[in-house]
Amino acid sequence: KQEVTQIPAALSVPEGENLVLNCSFTDSAIYNLQWFRQDPGKGLTSLLLIQSSQREQTSGRLNASLDKSSGRSTLYIAASQPGDSATYLCAVKGRGSTLGRLYFGRGTQLTVWP
Amino acid sequence: DVKVTQSSRYLVKRTGEKVFLECVQDMDHENMFWYRQDPGLGLRLIYFSYDVKMKEKGDIPEGYSVSREKKERFSLILESASTNQTSMYLCASSRRGLGSGPLSTDTQYFGPGTRLTVL
Repeated sequence: KQEVTQIPAALSVPEGENLVLNCSFTDSAIYNLQWFRQDPGKGLTSLLLIQSSQREQTSGRLNASLDKSSGRSTLYIAASQPGDSATYLCAVKGRGSTLGRLYFGRGTQLTVWP
Repeated sequence: DVKVTQSSRYLVKRTGEKVFLECVQDMDHENMFWYRQDPGLGLRLIYFSYDVKMKEKGDIPEGYSVSREKKERFSLILESASTNQTSMYLCASSRRGLGSGPLSTDTQYFGPGTRLTVL
């Protein structure tokens, strides 16, 4: 069974810092990997999706990389802002997964203070 | 704009009650999912459905059942609510289509969640 781990569990940084969130997965046979954002008490919003054949995806100040062979992904946030404060979740869709189910990590809770 | 709605944002029920959580999506998606989210445990898949009247157990189906009579609606049922089912419940939907292939671009779209408290 696919296991997804996110490190660190929580991160607190001052505004303006560049930061990296880490995600690892145990089975490298994946179709894609996604990063989601979750605000307190809300649902999840997809930020970036990387296909298994891709190395990275960028959206604004966010950059996600994927190293499938080593089972790792990173989410890079440039010039962090207080509005980036949220929980970030990583999820993989495995080749063995049934009909579109995802396997989620437990998330990194990010706080960016002014 | 894509939309997944859940019938209640907050719900308080008593132990032993039968509880219905409703989820509706307006994107004509084939796949629908129910998760629960608890501090320190992350998202755990309860049940999912890939078509009308079809369902598959997720990782923690015990104490739950589901119903999908129409494509747009997926209901989660707690037959006899217990205090350990106090949690945040999240519904999601996605296309099937290319979703199972290597060039999959599908993503899951989530509802706002239902915070259920069982007393």
